[in-house]
Amino acid sequence: DAKTTQPPSMDCAEGRAANLPCNHSTISGNEYVYWYRQIHSQGPQYIIHGLKNNETNEMASLIITEDRKSSTLILPHATLRDTAVYYCIVRVAGGFKTIFGAGTRLFVKA
Amino acid sequence: GAVVSQHPSRVICKSGTSVKIECRSLDFQATTMFWYRQFPKQSLMLMATSNEGSKATYEQGVEKDKFLINHASLTLSTLTVTSAHPEDSSFYICSAPSRGNEQFFGPGTRLTVL
Repeated sequence: DAKTTQPPSMDCAEGRAANLPCNHSTISGNEYVYWYRQIHSQGPQYIIHGLKNNETNEMASLIITEDRKSSTLILPHATLRDTAVYYCIVRVAGGFKTIFGAGTRLFVKA
Repeated sequence: GAVVSQHPSRVICKSGTSVKIECRSLDFQATTMFWYRQFPKQSLMLMATSNEGSKATYEQGVEKDKFLINHASLTLSTLTVTSAHPEDSSFYICSAPSRGNEQFFGPGTRLTVL
Protein backbone atom coordinates (compact mmCIF):
# COMPACT_ATOMS: atom_id res chain seq x y z
CA ASP A 1 0.00 0.00 0.00
CA ALA A 2 1.15 3.51 -0.78
CA LYS A 3 2.46 5.78 1.93
CA THR A 4 0.74 9.00 2.95
CA THR A 5 2.04 12.24 4.42
CA GLN A 6 -0.04 14.44 6.70
CA PRO A 7 0.75 17.47 8.86
CA PRO A 8 1.19 16.40 12.49
CA SER A 9 -1.34 18.87 13.88
CA MET A 10 -3.84 21.55 12.93
CA ASP A 11 -6.11 23.99 14.72
CA CYS A 12 -9.58 25.03 13.67
CA ALA A 13 -12.11 27.42 15.14
CA GLU A 14 -15.45 25.96 16.10
CA GLY A 15 -18.03 26.46 13.36
CA ARG A 16 -15.43 26.98 10.65
CA ALA A 17 -14.45 24.48 7.98
CA ALA A 18 -11.54 22.20 8.78
CA ASN A 19 -9.45 21.29 5.75
CA LEU A 20 -7.08 18.39 6.35
CA PRO A 21 -4.54 17.72 3.58
CA CYS A 22 -2.93 14.43 2.65
CA ASN A 23 -0.20 13.66 0.14
CA HIS A 24 -0.11 10.24 -1.51
CA SER A 25 2.15 10.78 -4.49
CA THR A 26 2.87 7.07 -5.00
CA ILE A 27 -0.76 5.97 -5.09
CA SER A 28 -1.55 3.23 -7.58
CA GLY A 29 -4.45 3.27 -10.01
CA ASN A 30 -6.44 0.70 -8.07
CA GLU A 31 -5.93 2.25 -4.63
CA TYR A 32 -8.65 4.16 -2.84
CA VAL A 33 -8.17 7.05 -0.44
CA TYR A 34 -9.73 6.40 2.96
CA TRP A 35 -10.12 8.68 5.94
CA TYR A 36 -10.61 7.54 9.52
CA ARG A 37 -10.55 9.44 12.75
CA GLN A 38 -9.77 8.39 16.29
CA ILE A 39 -11.16 10.22 19.26
CA HIS A 40 -9.12 9.79 22.41
CA SER A 41 -9.22 6.26 23.85
CA GLN A 42 -11.64 4.99 21.23
CA GLY A 43 -11.31 2.81 18.15
CA PRO A 44 -10.93 4.49 14.75
CA GLN A 45 -14.12 5.61 13.02
CA TYR A 46 -14.61 5.44 9.27
CA ILE A 47 -15.32 8.84 7.70
CA ILE A 48 -15.25 8.61 3.93
CA HIS A 49 -13.41 7.12 0.98
CA GLY A 50 -12.99 7.74 -2.74
CA LEU A 51 -11.15 6.61 -5.84
CA LYS A 52 -10.91 9.66 -8.09
CA ASN A 53 -14.16 11.57 -7.87
CA ASN A 54 -14.96 13.95 -5.06
CA GLU A 55 -17.20 12.41 -2.44
CA THR A 56 -19.54 13.81 0.20
CA ASN A 57 -21.48 12.22 3.00
CA GLU A 58 -23.13 13.41 6.19
CA MET A 59 -19.80 13.70 7.98
CA ALA A 60 -17.41 15.21 5.48
CA SER A 61 -16.34 15.88 1.91
CA LEU A 62 -13.33 14.38 0.18
CA ILE A 63 -11.59 16.28 -2.57
CA ILE A 64 -9.08 14.29 -4.63
CA THR A 65 -6.81 16.08 -7.08
CA GLU A 66 -7.01 15.13 -10.73
CA ASP A 67 -3.61 13.41 -10.63
CA ARG A 68 -4.71 11.64 -7.40
CA LYS A 69 -1.45 12.51 -5.70
CA SER A 70 -3.14 14.42 -2.91
CA SER A 71 -6.50 14.86 -1.26
CA THR A 72 -8.25 17.04 1.29
CA LEU A 73 -10.79 16.05 3.88
CA ILE A 74 -13.23 18.83 4.65
CA LEU A 75 -15.32 19.02 7.80
CA PRO A 76 -17.68 21.84 6.79
CA HIS A 77 -18.63 23.11 10.25
CA ALA A 78 -16.20 21.78 12.83
CA THR A 79 -17.42 21.23 16.38
CA LEU A 80 -15.52 20.57 19.58
CA ARG A 81 -16.43 16.90 19.20
CA ASP A 82 -14.43 16.76 15.97
CA THR A 83 -11.21 17.08 17.96
CA ALA A 84 -9.42 13.85 17.10
CA VAL A 85 -6.55 12.30 15.17
CA TYR A 86 -7.40 12.00 11.49
CA TYR A 87 -5.78 9.29 9.41
CA CYS A 88 -5.48 9.33 5.63
CA ILE A 89 -4.87 5.87 4.19
CA VAL A 90 -4.55 4.51 0.68
CA ARG A 91 -5.57 0.94 0.10
CA VAL A 92 -6.75 -1.33 -2.66
CA ALA A 93 -10.41 -2.21 -2.68
CA GLY A 94 -10.94 -5.44 -0.77
CA GLY A 95 -7.43 -5.18 0.66
CA PHE A 96 -8.55 -4.52 4.16
CA LYS A 97 -5.12 -4.73 5.75
CA THR A 98 -4.91 -1.13 6.87
CA ILE A 99 -1.58 0.44 7.71
CA PHE A 100 -1.85 3.62 9.75
CA GLY A 101 0.56 6.53 9.50
CA ALA A 102 0.98 9.19 12.15
CA GLY A 103 -2.16 11.10 11.18
CA THR A 104 -3.11 14.72 11.87
CA ARG A 105 -4.14 15.78 15.33
CA LEU A 106 -6.98 18.27 14.84
CA PHE A 107 -7.80 20.64 17.68
CA VAL A 108 -11.14 22.42 17.37
CA LYS A 109 -11.19 25.46 19.60
CA ALA A 110 -14.15 27.42 20.92
CA GLY B 1 -24.06 0.41 10.38
CA ALA B 2 -21.88 -2.58 11.12
CA VAL B 3 -20.67 -2.91 14.69
CA VAL B 4 -17.60 -4.53 16.16
CA SER B 5 -17.39 -5.10 19.89
CA GLN B 6 -14.50 -5.95 22.19
CA HIS B 7 -14.45 -7.50 25.61
CA PRO B 8 -13.24 -6.54 28.08
CA SER B 9 -12.88 -2.80 27.62
CA ARG B 10 -10.30 -2.62 30.38
CA VAL B 11 -8.23 -5.25 32.11
CA ILE B 12 -5.57 -5.09 34.78
CA CYS B 13 -3.48 -8.16 35.42
CA LYS B 14 -0.38 -9.25 37.25
CA SER B 15 2.87 -9.84 35.44
CA GLY B 16 3.19 -13.42 34.22
CA THR B 17 -0.51 -14.06 33.74
CA SER B 18 -2.34 -14.49 30.45
CA VAL B 19 -5.12 -12.25 29.24
CA LYS B 20 -7.73 -13.00 26.58
CA ILE B 21 -9.39 -10.27 24.56
CA GLU B 22 -12.46 -11.00 22.43
CA CYS B 23 -13.46 -9.27 19.21
CA ARG B 24 -16.93 -9.83 17.80
CA SER B 25 -18.66 -8.68 14.66
CA LEU B 26 -22.22 -8.14 15.83
CA ASP B 27 -24.31 -8.01 12.70
CA PHE B 28 -22.11 -9.38 9.96
CA GLN B 29 -19.75 -12.24 9.33
CA ALA B 30 -16.04 -11.70 9.00
CA THR B 31 -13.68 -14.37 7.70
CA THR B 32 -10.83 -11.98 8.41
CA MET B 33 -10.21 -9.73 11.37
CA PHE B 34 -7.23 -7.59 12.26
CA TRP B 35 -5.51 -6.88 15.56
CA TYR B 36 -3.71 -3.65 16.32
CA ARG B 37 -1.76 -2.31 19.26
CA GLN B 38 -1.45 1.34 20.16
CA PHE B 39 0.93 2.86 22.67
CA PRO B 40 0.24 6.30 24.17
CA LYS B 41 0.50 9.16 21.69
CA GLN B 42 1.41 6.76 18.89
CA SER B 43 -0.43 5.46 15.87
CA LEU B 44 -2.02 2.05 15.53
CA MET B 45 0.39 -0.74 14.72
CA LEU B 46 -0.93 -3.78 12.89
CA MET B 47 -0.03 -6.92 14.79
CA ALA B 48 -1.69 -9.73 12.88
CA THR B 49 -4.43 -10.87 10.56
CA SER B 50 -6.87 -13.35 12.04
CA ASN B 51 -8.23 -15.86 9.53
CA GLU B 52 -11.27 -18.03 10.14
CA GLY B 53 -10.37 -21.65 9.60
CA SER B 54 -6.64 -21.13 9.29
CA LYS B 55 -3.63 -19.80 11.14
CA ALA B 56 -3.20 -16.13 11.83
CA THR B 57 -0.68 -14.12 9.85
CA TYR B 58 1.66 -12.06 12.01
CA GLU B 59 3.45 -8.86 11.07
CA GLN B 60 7.19 -8.73 11.24
CA GLY B 61 8.47 -8.43 14.78
CA VAL B 62 5.29 -9.69 16.46
CA GLU B 63 5.85 -12.85 18.49
CA LYS B 64 3.22 -15.39 17.51
CA ASP B 65 3.84 -17.49 20.61
CA LYS B 66 3.22 -14.52 22.85
CA PHE B 67 0.17 -13.15 21.07
CA LEU B 68 -2.05 -16.14 20.35
CA ILE B 69 -4.88 -15.54 17.92
CA ASN B 70 -7.85 -17.82 17.40
CA HIS B 71 -10.60 -17.11 14.90
CA ALA B 72 -13.18 -19.41 16.42
CA SER B 73 -16.13 -18.52 14.21
CA LEU B 74 -17.22 -16.10 11.53
CA THR B 75 -18.07 -13.54 14.21
CA LEU B 76 -15.40 -14.07 16.87
CA SER B 77 -11.64 -13.65 17.07
CA THR B 78 -9.65 -13.79 20.28
CA LEU B 79 -6.22 -12.41 21.14
CA THR B 80 -4.47 -13.96 24.10
CA VAL B 81 -1.47 -12.15 25.54
CA THR B 82 0.51 -14.91 27.20
CA SER B 83 2.81 -14.34 30.18
CA ALA B 84 2.06 -10.64 30.08
CA HIS B 85 4.66 -8.16 31.26
CA PRO B 86 4.44 -4.42 31.92
CA GLU B 87 5.79 -3.63 28.45
CA ASP B 88 2.70 -5.36 27.00
CA SER B 89 0.52 -2.68 28.56
CA SER B 90 -1.20 -1.02 25.64
CA PHE B 91 -4.47 -0.30 23.86
CA TYR B 92 -5.49 -3.28 21.73
CA ILE B 93 -7.94 -2.71 18.89
CA CYS B 94 -9.52 -5.15 16.48
CA SER B 95 -11.19 -4.51 13.15
CA ALA B 96 -13.29 -6.42 10.68
CA PRO B 97 -14.29 -5.72 7.09
CA SER B 98 -17.98 -5.87 6.30
CA ARG B 99 -19.54 -6.23 2.88
CA GLY B 100 -18.58 -3.37 0.70
CA ASN B 101 -15.48 -1.32 1.07
CA GLU B 102 -15.51 -0.46 4.75
CA GLN B 103 -13.59 -1.72 7.72
CA PHE B 104 -15.08 -1.35 11.17
CA PHE B 105 -13.06 -1.01 14.32
CA GLY B 106 -13.81 -2.15 17.82
CA PRO B 107 -13.79 0.29 20.75
CA GLY B 108 -10.48 -1.07 22.01
CA THR B 109 -9.25 -2.87 25.13
CA ARG B 110 -6.88 -1.16 27.50
CA LEU B 111 -4.50 -3.65 29.07
CA THR B 112 -2.47 -2.72 32.12
CA VAL B 113 0.08 -5.23 33.39
CA LEU B 114 1.33 -4.60 36.89
